[in-house]
Amino acid sequence: DVKVTQSSRYLVKRTGEKVFLECVQDMDHENMFWYRQDPGLGLRLIYFSYDVKMKEKGDIPEGYSVSREKKERFSLILESASTNQTSMYLCASSLSPFGAYEQYFGPGTRLTVT
Amino acid sequence: QKEVEQNSGPLSVPEGAIASLNCTYSDRGSQSFFWYRQYSGKSPELIMFIYSNGDKEDGRFTAQLNKASQYVSLLIRDSQPSDSATYLCAVHSGGGADGLTFGKGTHLIIQP
Repeated sequence: DVKVTQSSRYLVKRTGEKVFLECVQDMDHENMFWYRQDPGLGLRLIYFSYDVKMKEKGDIPEGYSVSREKKERFSLILESASTNQTSMYLCASSLSPFGAYEQYFGPGTRLTVT
Repeated sequence: QKEVEQNSGPLSVPEGAIASLNCTYSDRGSQSFFWYRQYSGKSPELIMFIYSNGDKEDGRFTAQLNKASQYVSLLIRDSQPSDSATYLCAVHSGGGADGLTFGKGTHLIIQP
């Protein structure tokens, strides 16, 4: 059974703070993803990674960076949080870049920036 | 620009009836198709995936794919109140590790 965990369910930060969101998967998946989900806009891909130390920009990377130092862990970093980054952040993983593209999601982190 | 379109609903279906959810996609190169269920305040949960034209059945769920029409659907038989949720259609455009493109979801309400 795939297990994706995220470090926090709820987080409140102030404008300008540096924010770290952590994601861990326990199924030896190659690929990991960060999305944000907003009402009326749906799920949008921020960044993804297909291997350790590799990263690719998604559709909305501005204002974010990522880190993948270990296969099981993928971190999303908000260098200087802003109110428009208030959102639900969802981490996902999938098995392989060459098939088995189905993604499994963590429980999500609801981030509020004040 | 890859797009996945779904009717936002709400789609109201009586308990015990068949719920039919539809999705169209713009990228003809799309290879893999997924349906997720998302309860309010929760993360998306994978229900089914389909790669080939035709039908794929899993319990009360049937996914249908028509690549020529760029259309994928999800049928839920014997609908239960617990099926009330938002259903997300997602598409992968084949090859590589890039992310899925999601529709905005259809809100399904099963009326007891």
